[in-house]
Amino acid sequence: NAGVTQTPKFQVLKTGQSMTLQCAQDMNHNSMYWYRQDPGMGLRLIYYSASEGTTDKGEVPNGYNVSRLNKREFSLRLESAAPSQTSVYFCASSEGVGHRELFFGEGSRLTVL
Amino acid sequence: AQSVTQLGSHVSVSEGALVLLRCNYSSSVPPYLFWYVQYPNQGLQLLLKYTSAATLVKGINGFEAEFKKSETSFHLTKPSAHMSDAAEYFCAVSPFGNEKLTFGTGTRLTIIP
Repeated sequence: NAGVTQTPKFQVLKTGQSMTLQCAQDMNHNSMYWYRQDPGMGLRLIYYSASEGTTDKGEVPNGYNVSRLNKREFSLRLESAAPSQTSVYFCASSEGVGHRELFFGEGSRLTVL
Repeated sequence: AQSVTQLGSHVSVSEGALVLLRCNYSSSVPPYLFWYVQYPNQGLQLLLKYTSAATLVKGINGFEAEFKKSETSFHLTKPSAHMSDAAEYFCAVSPFGNEKLTFGTGTRLTIIP
């Protein structure tokens, strides 16, 4: 059982380039999330999708877009990467928003030069 | 708005000693509280959660946490540290259990042989 799978695991971009982080879950979860993790700042929510067909902004959405492609897949796009977006990105899923357990992917380390 | 504060970004304990990681929350409504653990180069995984059923919550790997409303705290403890406990630990809160989680900034636990 793969759980939550993120690709790519590592990426280096130049300022202004675009890229998409892919996330897929095989647990039939309704809700999916994108977080970024930065030293000393913990995890901050970028966007989430409470259910298929819906997306909402989190704490730090600027510079990002998301697509809930279907129930399994939730992608995060950087249209014009900036050095401030250098971070480790985590996708997570849960049965629903709130008190249900989050299941995380292994993370995608992005460096923007 | 709900939030959690983790006191001490780094904690070091000797192998076999008590582990105590501190978490205080602020929430205007009854909170659901969580501890997640992140091992090196991995995503987060749930350690334990409080959902108002019992104030002392037992989790995986011998960890437990006690909800103290009067102190607005949810500290994580383990009687005897093991080398395998070295990781980063995150406290998180969801008010009512119906909203997305807000994470603390994390505490990195180092075990001294």
